[in-house]
This record gives sequence, structure tokens and C-alpha cells, in this order.
Amino acid sequence: EDQVTQSPEALRLQEGESSSLNCSYTVSGLRGLFWYRQDPGKGPEFLFTLYSAGEEKEKERLKATLTKKESFLHITAPKPEDSATYLCAVQAPASGGSYIPTFGRGTSLIVHP
Amino acid sequence: DAGVTQSPTHLIKTRGQQVTLRCSPKSGHDTVSWYQQALGQGPQFIFQYYEEEERQRGNFPDRFSGHQFPNYSSELNVNALLLGDSALYLCASSSGQGPYSYGYTFGSGTRLTVV
Repeated sequence: EDQVTQSPEALRLQEGESSSLNCSYTVSGLRGLFWYRQDPGKGPEFLFTLYSAGEEKEKERLKATLTKKESFLHITAPKPEDSATYLCAVQAPASGGSYIPTFGRGTSLIVHP
Repeated sequence: DAGVTQSPTHLIKTRGQQVTLRCSPKSGHDTVSWYQQALGQGPQFIFQYYEEEERQRGNFPDRFSGHQFPNYSSELNVNALLLGDSALYLCASSSGQGPYSYGYTFGSGTRLTVV
């Protein structure tokens, strides 16, 4: 069974204080790892897809990296508007030829001004 | 271009009642998946519909059922509601059955409260 574990569960930062979120996974036949951002009461919003170890993707203050067992979401000099829950999901083949992303519980990030 | 549209946005039901949630996928998408997200938890997969058939199902009881219409829109039905069914129900759309380069496109969800 695919498993995704995110840590920490919650993270409080001061504006400008850089940090990293972790996503460790156990999956057979990884065909992509996704990072999403979710604001309270809203649906997840796609950020990145990573496919292979060593791959990196960047968007503004966010950089996602991937190894064979985990992914990191690095947040550089965060701003209060970066406050959200960050979800990690892995994509692998399911029975019947479909692909169903499995999500972690997320990391709730609060950035204080 | 409209994204994924869900209705209603909020709903309050009594234990034992039945509820129907609705979803219109993003234009160009033909696959609809439903997730349940309890407070403080990650989304849990309920089922996926493609070509009007349920293609995959997560670990949810038969009280949860669905339907997909010829225009690709979908409904999620939950019978005999329990307090534990209170959650944010997310609809996600995609094209085909994957793998997906950009994951799913999610709607804003329906907040269901069972009292």
C-alpha cells in the first residue's frame, strides 16, 4: 500500500525565516510526486510535479526537490501570504490501468509578519 | 475558462439522512474523482469515474455511491449519514486515467456538517 508521510505537521516561521517541509513516501512504481498548496476551506492548488531523483522545480520562493525516498519543499524568505497547508501526493499505477494520487496529511505553515 | 465547479458550498444534514453533492469538471476533462478531507487530514480517495463507470474505489463503505453523466459531470451520494461523515468533499477532474503530468484540478469543495 502506498504511504505518504509529511513532517512537521505544523510549522510557524517569522517572515524571512527560511525552512523546509518534508514528504517521505513508500510506493511501487512512482510516476510522479505532486506538491499542492491548500488555503483554508479551499481545494488544493497544484504547485509542482517531480518525476525522478535529483529533479528540482522552482516557483517564486518555493523549491521542490526529490530523492528516491523523500521530497523536500524549501521555502526561502517566506512572506505571510505563503501561509497555507502544503500537501504532498504520490502517483503510481493502480489496478485497471488508472493512476490515483495518494495524499499525505499535509504541513500547516504559518508565517508571521 | 471555468475550473471545477462544486455545489452546494456548504450543507448541514441530520444523522441518517441522505445527501447528494454535485461536480462539473474543468472544460476538456473527462475524468472525475472524489475525495473526503476531514479537518486536519489529507484528502482520502473515495472513487473515480471515467466514461460513466466507476473505475477505482477507495476504502469507503457502500453508503458512498456516485454517478457520472454523459456531459462528464458527476454526483456523490451518501446514505444513512453518520457524524463521522462531516468533512470537506473535494471533486477533482483530469483527462483520461493517467498518469497525470499536473495532477488533478480540484474544486473548492462542499463542506458537509452532519448533526
